[in-house]
Amino acid sequence: QVQLQESGPGLMKPSQTLSLTCTVSGGSISSGGYYWSWIRQHPGKGLEWIGYIYYSGSTYYNPSLKSRVTMSVDTSKNQFSLKLSSVTAADTAVYYCARLGTTGSQPIDHWGQGTLVAVSS
Amino acid sequence: DIQMTQSPSSLSASVGDRVTITCRASQSISTYLNWYQQKPGKAPNLLIFAASTLQSGVPSRFSGTGSGTDFTLTISSLQPEDFATYYCQQSYTTLYTFGQGTKLEIK
Repeated sequence: QVQLQESGPGLMKPSQTLSLTCTVSGGSISSGGYYWSWIRQHPGKGLEWIGYIYYSGSTYYNPSLKSRVTMSVDTSKNQFSLKLSSVTAADTAVYYCARLGTTGSQPIDHWGQGTLVAVSS
Repeated sequence: DIQMTQSPSSLSASVGDRVTITCRASQSISTYLNWYQQKPGKAPNLLIFAASTLQSGVPSRFSGTGSGTDFTLTISSLQPEDFATYYCQQSYTTLYTFGQGTKLEIK
């Protein structure tokens, strides 16, 4: 059974760069067939797509965040990562890593438990 | 961006009720539509993909229909564990977008 686990700082200051890592177990990122994604949820709000990365390193970012987002993958560690620069209070959210298919309706079939990142001075 | 609008935003119902949640896309998305259930403090869980295909392990009381712009999620007989927030999500365009959610509460 595939499992995903986010790790990273829970509290940040404005203007810093958020760095989160997702460790995948029970399956190999490099086997292909899936996109590896980041999604966030502001407190008490809905879900916002941040972007995804394929094992080859190809990426897609939400245009609204594209200027501040970088994703990377480390297949040797079976991990993928998110960097979000110049954070503000508006980036306070629960960040989820997730797996979605590359075909059909590309459902998100596995999610991490989520990690709360708070931005405050 | 494709906007996804769910209705209602909240709903009160009783155990055993039949409940329908609607999701409307701002443009045609064929059947590139998925439904998720989220309980407080937990990650969302996939219920239905491709508008009408039940994810493995999901109870058969959940069903989905629709294509184009209008979709529905139906729970045929509400169980206590079904009280949660439900989201639709389109994958027709690479900028995947979610509905705002429908909170299903106990009456």
